[in-house]
Amino acid sequence: SQQGEEDPQALSIQEGENATMNCSYKTSINNLQWYRQNSGRGLVHLILIRSNEREKHSGRLRVTLDTSKKSSSLLITASRAADTASYFCATDTMYGNNRLAFGKGNQVVVIP
Amino acid sequence: DAGVTQSPTHLIKTRGQQVTLRCSPKSGHDTVSWYQQALGQGPQFIFQYYEEEERQRGNFPDRFSGHQFPNYSSELNVNALLLGDSALYLCASSHYRTGKPYEQYFGPGTRLTVT
Repeated sequence: SQQGEEDPQALSIQEGENATMNCSYKTSINNLQWYRQNSGRGLVHLILIRSNEREKHSGRLRVTLDTSKKSSSLLITASRAADTASYFCATDTMYGNNRLAFGKGNQVVVIP
Repeated sequence: DAGVTQSPTHLIKTRGQQVTLRCSPKSGHDTVSWYQQALGQGPQFIFQYYEEEERQRGNFPDRFSGHQFPNYSSELNVNALLLGDSALYLCASSHYRTGKPYEQYFGPGTRLTVT
């Protein structure tokens, strides 16, 4: 069953603005990952944060993890039209066995 | 270096039929996982294969079965298709033995439509 739940579900922003998405989960995890999906095709791995990490950066992406609240956020800074996509968070079990539980996803539209 | 490939891209089947989907993992990867993504939903884990055995299974009926070959490629078989099986089927590969099992690469998916 899916345990990640992203919030908000849909986001429309102007190019250059920041986009923030949240994700909550229910069970103990080994790591949490964020993926991007364009037009219902394959998923692209964006960033992974381990359960003992609190914040991680990768280019224009910033991920935070609060294990006490079982929540994570993904921030995309200075958004571009090419960032238009669906974004999913996925949690890996505490055993780290790559059995991912995905949320329902956020649709982000960046208006040029 | 080829990434994860899946075939076919699209498939249309009738209720009650059987279907086989194929996946070739990224070069050097030995573990394959399958996911089902219904329209507007996140992917759901079906099962995972390593060393030609099913290692983990999600909450899917026995109509869903799979296989992994010695070259690490994999097949997903679905019997007695239902309308609800219409979805995007995604294959993901990873390398178990390098100590980086978390790095998964997804294929482009196979869009299955059951009529």
